[in-house]
Amino acid sequence: DAKTTQPPSMDCAEGRAANLPCNHSTISGNEYVYWYRQIHSQGPQYIIHGLKNNETNEMASLIITEDRKSSTLILPHATLRDTAVYYCIVRVSPNRDDKIIFGKGTRLHILP
Amino acid sequence: GAGVSQSPRYKVAKRGQDVALRCDPISGHVSLFWYQQALGQGPEFLTYFQNEAQLDKSGLPSDRFFAERPEGSVSTLKIQRTQQEDSAVYLCASSLGLQPQHFGDGTRLSIL
Repeated sequence: DAKTTQPPSMDCAEGRAANLPCNHSTISGNEYVYWYRQIHSQGPQYIIHGLKNNETNEMASLIITEDRKSSTLILPHATLRDTAVYYCIVRVSPNRDDKIIFGKGTRLHILP
Repeated sequence: GAGVSQSPRYKVAKRGQDVALRCDPISGHVSLFWYQQALGQGPEFLTYFQNEAQLDKSGLPSDRFFAERPEGSVSTLKIQRTQQEDSAVYLCASSLGLQPQHFGDGTRLSIL
């Protein structure tokens, strides 16, 4: 699986959009971009994934650049409950039932 | 409950003791994963089951670690002759086919 690079930490004001970047310059054509988050003392929680088109669900939006070398997770109206570590992961097609390789992620602090 | 359940939530053991950690996956989920998460790090893969078959145990750090899932549902991770470096949060995840992995909240193991 391709390696990802994320900033170690970010701050965002409550109510504002949180934009979390991820670089994955070595991504290959059959690899998807996944995002998970981990709130303190809980297990990781799936947020969203995509291949090349932008994706949106009830939790967040995922914007993938045209060359697929980077992406941004957007939380449109951040709340204090969004304080967590956010992991950007690149892995082969979801058709494969395979282990997740986590990095260190981005620690997002939502400020009141 | 509808989620992945892990027990105990916290476990304290003396160095050299054996411990057993339990995971109840979501009902009907074929795939089950164990991860180890050290303080301040992302989760790291330990082992993977598809039904009762252990298809990947490449992440188990030593032969003191053993996992089983005899009837294809509940799984137990056993650590023999525990050492201080085994202190970590042990996470279990389950999935069904193409769906993302669902994680439990983990067992926090402290070896004194």
